Amino acid sequence: KNEVEQSPQNLTAQEGEFITINCSYSVGISALHWLQQHPGGGIVSLFMLSSGKKKHGRLIATINIQEKHSSLHITASHPRDSAVYICAVSSPGTYKYIFGTGTRLKVLA
Amino acid sequence: DSGVTQTPKHLITATGQRVTLRCSPRSGDLSVYWYQQSLDQGLQFLIQYYNGEERAKGNILERFSAQQFPDLHSELNLSSLELGDSALYFCASSLAGPEQYFGPGTRLTVT
Repeated sequence: KNEVEQSPQNLTAQEGEFITINCSYSVGISALHWLQQHPGGGIVSLFMLSSGKKKHGRLIATINIQEKHSSLHITASHPRDSAVYICAVSSPGTYKYIFGTGTRLKVLA
Repeated sequence: DSGVTQTPKHLITATGQRVTLRCSPRSGDLSVYWYQQSLDQGLQFLIQYYNGEERAKGNILERFSAQQFPDLHSELNLSSLELGDSALYFCASSLAGPEQYFGPGTRLTVT
């Protein structure tokens, strides 16, 4: 079993839909990260969470430390949101990242 | 732009060869992490350096090695290359805490 599990693996949505991507982890963490990777490869950090909830524009990320679970929500989705979204946790001490397998999101106009 | 630079962007080489990937961290960042992204394994941690010293090791093959120089740039050396080494190699840097800034990656193709 992977230490970081993401679901769904693939997601197709219509423009304007509310999207949720889930992440569960089974190891101790110093923080949880949501990353975005567009075709072409670059990785951008969206959120770093150690508790509670963060919001940036149409993106909202939550974490439940007791349940070892996090969600990334996209409100009013847009075709430009199409990308791979990756959940990662940073290990205590070294802060090395352990990654989920990613969720490939496609938003149709 | 994260402030982390990686060279080269693309590298095509033959099996058995040796290559060096270079990473310059953000100004002031002391930690450099190397990650490999392949189609079958996803993103995996390879190795971390902090202020010139190796700090953590992940799933790094014996054919691979890395170092961090006094100016804090880092190099990842891959030798006796195999087809399965074809991947995107990312470096990331951080100052001290858990937030890392990723470089644009080096795409390695082994033919």
